[in-house]
Amino acid sequence: AQSVSQHNHHVILSEAASLELGCNYSYGGTVNLFWYVQYPGQHLQLLLKYFSGDPLVKGIKGFEAEFIKSKFSFNLRKPSVQWSDTAEYFCAVKLPNNNDMRFGAGTRLTVKP
Amino acid sequence: DAGVTQSPTHLIKTRGQQVTLRCSPKSGHDTVSWYQQALGQGPQFIFQYYEEEERQRGNFPDRFSGHQFPNYSSELNVNALLLGDSALYLCASRGTGTGSYEQYFGPGTRLTVT
Repeated sequence: AQSVSQHNHHVILSEAASLELGCNYSYGGTVNLFWYVQYPGQHLQLLLKYFSGDPLVKGIKGFEAEFIKSKFSFNLRKPSVQWSDTAEYFCAVKLPNNNDMRFGAGTRLTVKP
Repeated sequence: DAGVTQSPTHLIKTRGQQVTLRCSPKSGHDTVSWYQQALGQGPQFIFQYYEEEERQRGNFPDRFSGHQFPNYSSELNVNALLLGDSALYLCASRGTGTGSYEQYFGPGTRLTVT
């Protein structure tokens, strides 16, 4: 079945550590890719998106993600996390000409001060 | 500028009952999507409304229905509630002119079915 997989259910890091959250999808062809973040008690917010062009995309708050087509991956990275990055992170895929956005199960990030 | 708003915030219903959830899109947005987010899971697409019509539907039974009004606000109705319908229901809006497909999400309605 077509799906979006996030490898880590819960990641715990200390402040200043580097972050990489994995996301793989199983849809063929062209896809649009997104990372959303949900801070405790807040709405889902868009961190970054990839539609075409440079596979390395930069988002808000120092986050970036790299699209590797051959690996069907769109991993999220941040060089140095802060306590305020504690949140749930969701990867999502949308097929062109399709309004259905498919989300992964999410990765909970806990950053210890 | 108000973002996406949803009401009510929380709701408790009994099995077999019916429920209506409401959503007001972000100003300037005309397309509304509804998602169900079960505990520990990512949001699942229920359906999308545009120009007062259901444009696309996810894998949800007919017990889930919706409506969009001329002011672009939307309702999600669920009939014959099951325990498994307990979840956070999210509304997201976007403008059709935006090529970037950036959706703005509301805070959600937490539905508990007992």
